[in-house]
Amino acid sequence: DAGVIQSPRHEVTEMGQEVTLRCKPISGHDYLFWYRQTMMRGLELLIYFNNNVPIDDSGMPEDRFSAKMPNASFSTLKIQPSEPRDSAVYFCASSPLHLQETQYFGPGTRLLVL
Amino acid sequence: QKEVEQDPGPLSVPEGAIVSLNCTYSNSAFQYFMWYRQYSRKGPELLMYTYSSGNKEDGRFTAQVDKSSKYISLFIRDSQPSDSATYLCATLGGGNKLTFGTGTQLKVEL
Repeated sequence: DAGVIQSPRHEVTEMGQEVTLRCKPISGHDYLFWYRQTMMRGLELLIYFNNNVPIDDSGMPEDRFSAKMPNASFSTLKIQPSEPRDSAVYFCASSPLHLQETQYFGPGTRLLVL
Repeated sequence: QKEVEQDPGPLSVPEGAIVSLNCTYSNSAFQYFMWYRQYSRKGPELLMYTYSSGNKEDGRFTAQVDKSSKYISLFIRDSQPSDSATYLCATLGGGNKLTFGTGTQLKVEL
């Protein structure tokens, strides 16, 4: 298996622009998670899905952030409009139903908002 | 108070040393405890997980949980330069949500 795939790996954009991050989870995994990692706050859960349905989005910082999972093999995290404080590494992770405690992370998208 | 506290380090040890990494947590309801390893500019990878109290060993790595003191430990024996990474402890709370410590940066020197 190729593992969790994220794109792009790096994104540099200007304040106010829309940013879309993409994730392909491991095939057969029922859960998908979006995290954000910064030096100051560490790794924070933004939102997670179960069988394509958003279950908990309490970590989404503002209405500027939105996430979708139109099917079992694809999810997006969108920031519109982006701000410099959104600069961070965004990770996608997935886990199977029977091993919910084991999450497999993608390589991350390093976002810089100027 | 953060739900999971972890000393950020950095921790520098000579090759071959025994390394002890530690976390404390606040919620006594937590039952699953994980250790993730993160190399620079990579995603975290699951090293080990334990359920409830006790020890779990995997090669050079031993995870230990003491629920009475809410203390989580990871021991690395015969540490190698390839062990140099950031180690994140995590607990699984309600709703399948992982809560991570901020990570301890480890450097194993030749």
